[in-house]
Amino acid sequence: ETGVTQTPRHLVMGMTNKKSLKCEQHLGHNAMYWYKQSAKKPLELMFVYSLEERVENNSVPSRFSPECPNSSHLFLHLHTLQPEDSALYLCASSQDQGAYGYTFGSGTRLTVV
Amino acid sequence: AQRVTQPEKLLSVFKGAPVELKCNYSYSGSPELFWYVQYSRQRLQLLLRHISRESIKGFTADLNKGETSFHLKKPFAQEEDSAMYYCALGDAGGTSYGKLTFGQGTILTVHP
Repeated sequence: ETGVTQTPRHLVMGMTNKKSLKCEQHLGHNAMYWYKQSAKKPLELMFVYSLEERVENNSVPSRFSPECPNSSHLFLHLHTLQPEDSALYLCASSQDQGAYGYTFGSGTRLTVV
Repeated sequence: AQRVTQPEKLLSVFKGAPVELKCNYSYSGSPELFWYVQYSRQRLQLLLRHISRESIKGFTADLNKGETSFHLKKPFAQEEDSAMYYCALGDAGGTSYGKLTFGQGTILTVHP
């Protein structure tokens, strides 16, 4: 699949579980992002990676841990989440400091029970 | 701090009518503005960006720095324009690694 691919599409996890979200892009982009989309709230930036280096951590709790092993892959490791963390998690990538805009994935719908 | 305001959560028009989706921003740096659209059951996608001054699917948007606005306009709405529209603000100076601040979105419904 071209563009940005996110897996899984849906995830239900208990508060004591550990899970990971995966994002993959083969567009040759050099920046990748995690955003959180909750009901009735704007998209919230979580993390920014540029050239595989984390350049922004937008005051995200430590129960969310990102990882960018190479320029094509981005992970979001989750542990001991809270029910209020239930949301749609979107991955995006961009080139040239985002001058041409983002390419978004379809998102992972996370439900914490 | 960056802030984007889309004052209308919902906007309804009839087919063929003009439509304007409002977006105001607050930013002390050099702004770069985008409109993103999400059609039903599709992913969020870029519609247009102010720097390219283009018209996409009949939509245009002009950056007005004096009024700090970037309203999205189309003279004749079509039913297929029904979607969620997000205004987004970045930094044109290239210092923020492309991070964007999004508005809350406006749901546009075009009735036949």
